[in-house]
Amino acid sequence: NAGVTQTPKFQVLKTGQSMTLQCAQDMNHNSMYWYRQDPGMGLRLIYYSASEGTTDKGEVPNGYNVSRLNKREFSLRLESAAPSQTSVYFCASSLRHGTGADGYTFGSGTRLTVV
Amino acid sequence: GDSVTQMEGPVTLSEEAFLTINCTYTATGYPSLFWYVQYPGEGLQLLLKATKADDKGSNKGFEATYRKETTSFHLEKGSVQVSDSAVYFCALIIKIQGAQKLVFGQGTRLTINP
Repeated sequence: NAGVTQTPKFQVLKTGQSMTLQCAQDMNHNSMYWYRQDPGMGLRLIYYSASEGTTDKGEVPNGYNVSRLNKREFSLRLESAAPSQTSVYFCASSLRHGTGADGYTFGSGTRLTVV
Repeated sequence: GDSVTQMEGPVTLSEEAFLTINCTYTATGYPSLFWYVQYPGEGLQLLLKATKADDKGSNKGFEATYRKETTSFHLEKGSVQVSDSAVYFCALIIKIQGAQKLVFGQGTRLTINP
């Protein structure tokens, strides 16, 4: 099925460890996004890539880096994990960034726990 | 700033009941409005959308009408099923100088009892 695929689905890290969350979409969308979802906070944008070759900070970028590897793939890296980064992470894509009209397609999420 | 306010949950209904989940927004300009649904253990799925005033979005028996005069986008369904149990998010997208911002409400957890 066409959509957004995230790996891994679950991960436990120790404080200070690093890891990369992978995301790939097969809908030929131009724009990709990383969100985190925390209880009582809703979804907050970490980074986004409006098109291949560009990345921009979102609402909560500190502690994260991203790479738009190609049109299909957008990865999120935690260089030195902290307990405050315990969250559920969602990748999303949309056809075009900036039109305001296209809905986003979300992956099924990565549940990350930092101990 | 731009924001979305949803009715607080959780909401519990019996099967075949009428559902309304209220959503109001504050935005500069003219946003597009969306409802997303998140089933347990899954990501968010786009349920319906409306891109201009008086548009009605509909899908799977759910409906919502873009009301500019009341800045609202309430979600309704005439007869809910157990399978509708999920968390529902109202959201808007506002265009900002060639970019865009997606703003979510806090979500409303809906439980339908048989």
